[in-house]
Amino acid sequence: RKEVEQDPGPFNVPEGATVAFNCTYSNSASQSFFWYRQDCRKEPKLLMSVYSSGNEDGRFTAQLNRASQYISLLIRDSKLSDSATYLCVVIFYTGRRALTFGSGTRLQVQP
Amino acid sequence: DGGITQSPKYLFRKEGQNVTLSCEQNLNHDAMYWYRQDPGQGLRLIYYSQIVNDFQKGDIAEGYSVSREKKESFPLTVTSAQKNPTAFYLCASSHGTGVDNEQYFGPGTRLTVT
Repeated sequence: RKEVEQDPGPFNVPEGATVAFNCTYSNSASQSFFWYRQDCRKEPKLLMSVYSSGNEDGRFTAQLNRASQYISLLIRDSKLSDSATYLCVVIFYTGRRALTFGSGTRLQVQP
Repeated sequence: DGGITQSPKYLFRKEGQNVTLSCEQNLNHDAMYWYRQDPGQGLRLIYYSQIVNDFQKGDIAEGYSVSREKKESFPLTVTSAQKNPTAFYLCASSHGTGVDNEQYFGPGTRLTVT
């Protein structure tokens, strides 16, 4: 089983739709969680950190469920510019900082 | 402007040749990292360095080597021992290595070995 798993998609949604992705992780010692966005053939860029209490940044909401070991990303009112691959990142620390990337979920927002 | 630069953007090499990928940062970050990304896959850690003159193997270090002689620079050499070197290579840096330190990525180098 992979340490971090994501549905690869693609998720094809119309503009204005609400879409949600989940990311499951296997290491219960995981300490920090992030969502990165990666455009085609570009480098990943931090979208948002995921806090235990959940957090929101404009149209984006991230949540953490430690009991079930998953994080989620909700995008409201999807824009064409939201089309990208969303990478889940999980960090656990066991003597050294181990940052594990999911393989990403591809989102395609259609007009 | 502060940031991370990687050069070149595209690199082509013949099998059996060593090749060195450049990574420079002017963010005054202590930690630097090298990842590779294959199509449809997440990033995998090759090497990382927490401080000058020190570096550690990541999850897939075989066939690669690094040096960290200056804080700003962390070059990666892909040796002929690396069995599948064709990939997208990403360099990143962070202020520290604490669990909440955001990693900033360079634009990447696409290496093709034929």
